[in-house]
Amino acid sequence: QKEVEQNSGPLSVPEGAIASLNCTYSDRGSQSFFWYRQYSGKSPELIMFIYSNGDKEDGRFTAQLNKASQYVSLLIRDSQPSDSATYLCAVNMGSGYSTLTFGKGTMLLVSP
Amino acid sequence: DAGVIQSPRHEVTEMGQEVTLRCKPISGHDYLFWYRQTMMRGLELLIYFNNNVPIDDSGMPEDRFSAKMPNASFSTLKIQPSEPRDSAVYFCASSLRAAGLVTQYFGPGTRLLVL
Repeated sequence: QKEVEQNSGPLSVPEGAIASLNCTYSDRGSQSFFWYRQYSGKSPELIMFIYSNGDKEDGRFTAQLNKASQYVSLLIRDSQPSDSATYLCAVNMGSGYSTLTFGKGTMLLVSP
Repeated sequence: DAGVIQSPRHEVTEMGQEVTLRCKPISGHDYLFWYRQTMMRGLELLIYFNNNVPIDDSGMPEDRFSAKMPNASFSTLKIQPSEPRDSAVYFCASSLRAAGLVTQYFGPGTRLLVL
C-alpha cells in the first residue's frame, strides 16, 4: 500500500513566522512531489512541485526534498492570515504512474 | 485560459435517484481524473482516463458508480442509485504529461448531498 503521511494539525503560527509543513511517503521509487493548498470549501490549488533533492524556492514558499529519508516539506516564510488553509502533499510514484497519491493534509492556522 | 469546469456545483437529491456530474477538462490536457473528498477519507481517486480511454477504475466504490469520457472535452460521473453515504465533494482534475511530470489541475468540485 503506497502511502503519503501528513500530520493533520492544526498547525498554529503567528503572523510573520515561518510555517513548516511535513510529509513522508512510503514508495522509495517516487519521483515527483507536489504541494496543493485548499481553502475551506474550495478545490485544491497547486502551489509548487519538486523532483530533485534539495530546496526549491518560489516567493515565500520553499519546498524541500530528501529522497533518502523519503521526506518532503513546505516552508512558508512571513506567514499571513491568508495562508490559513489545508495543505495537501501529493506524490507521483514514478515514470510508470500517471496518478498522484495524496496525503490527508495539514491544516495551517495563521493568527494575526 | 479557462480552467477545469464542473457542473452542477451543488446537488441535493434523495436516496435512490440518479446523479450525473459533469466535467470539462482544460483544453489540450490528455488525462482526466475523478476524485471524491470526505473528511474521513480525504481525497480518493475514483477513476482516470488517458486520451478518453479509462485506464484505472479500481477506486470506483461500487457498480452504482460509472464514468464515461465520450470525447476530449467532456466526462461524466454517474451514480445510480444514489445513497446517503455517497454524500461528498466530487472533483474532476486534468493534466498534461510533460517532461515526466504529471501536474493536475482541479475543477471547483460538485458538492453532493444525498438525503
